[in-house]
Amino acid sequence: DAKTTQPPSMDCAEGRAANLPCNHSTISGNEYVYWYRQIHSQGPQYIIHGLKNNETNEMASLIITEDRKSSTLILPHATLRDTAVYYCIVRLYSGGGADGLTFGKGTHLIIQP
Amino acid sequence: GAVVSQHPSWVICKSGTSVKIECRSLDFQATTMFWYRQFPKQSLMLMATSNEGSKATYEQGVEKDKFLINHASLTLSTLTVTSAHPEDSSFYICSAKEGAREKLFFGSGTQLSVL
Repeated sequence: DAKTTQPPSMDCAEGRAANLPCNHSTISGNEYVYWYRQIHSQGPQYIIHGLKNNETNEMASLIITEDRKSSTLILPHATLRDTAVYYCIVRLYSGGGADGLTFGKGTHLIIQP
Repeated sequence: GAVVSQHPSWVICKSGTSVKIECRSLDFQATTMFWYRQFPKQSLMLMATSNEGSKATYEQGVEKDKFLINHASLTLSTLTVTSAHPEDSSFYICSAKEGAREKLFFGSGTQLSVL
């Protein structure tokens, strides 16, 4: 799986949009970009994933650059409960296969009141 | 969304004893489950992959005789830490994969403290 690079930490004001960047310059054509987050002392929570088109769900939006070498996770209206470590993960689509996720160090997002 | 239940949430045990952690998929059949370990201020590290009805596949450096994994049904996998020592104290997290779906669902984790 391709390596990802994320800033170690970010601050964001409550109510504002939080934009979390991720670089994955070695991504291959059939690798997806996944985002998970981990609130302190809990298991990771799936947020969103995409291949090349921008994606949006009830939690967030995922913007992937045209060359697919970077992406941005957007939390449109951050709340204090969004404080967590956010992991950007690139992996092959495995279909019925069985591959665990490889977690990097992620970005510790701190929402300030 | 799919729910993965992990039990217990925390456990304290004496050195030399064994501890069993359960991971259940509550509303789907998990053909594959994964076990992770996380030390304080570090990221999750994959320990092993278990497929229902077959032997687990362990990551390099993980002792299979120390961390026993059983995946006897499509909804239950267990991790047993045998002869636990203080260095095994960690946060253990399971995750489950439903068939060909690409999302992995995670349990809430088990904090193990070995005295």
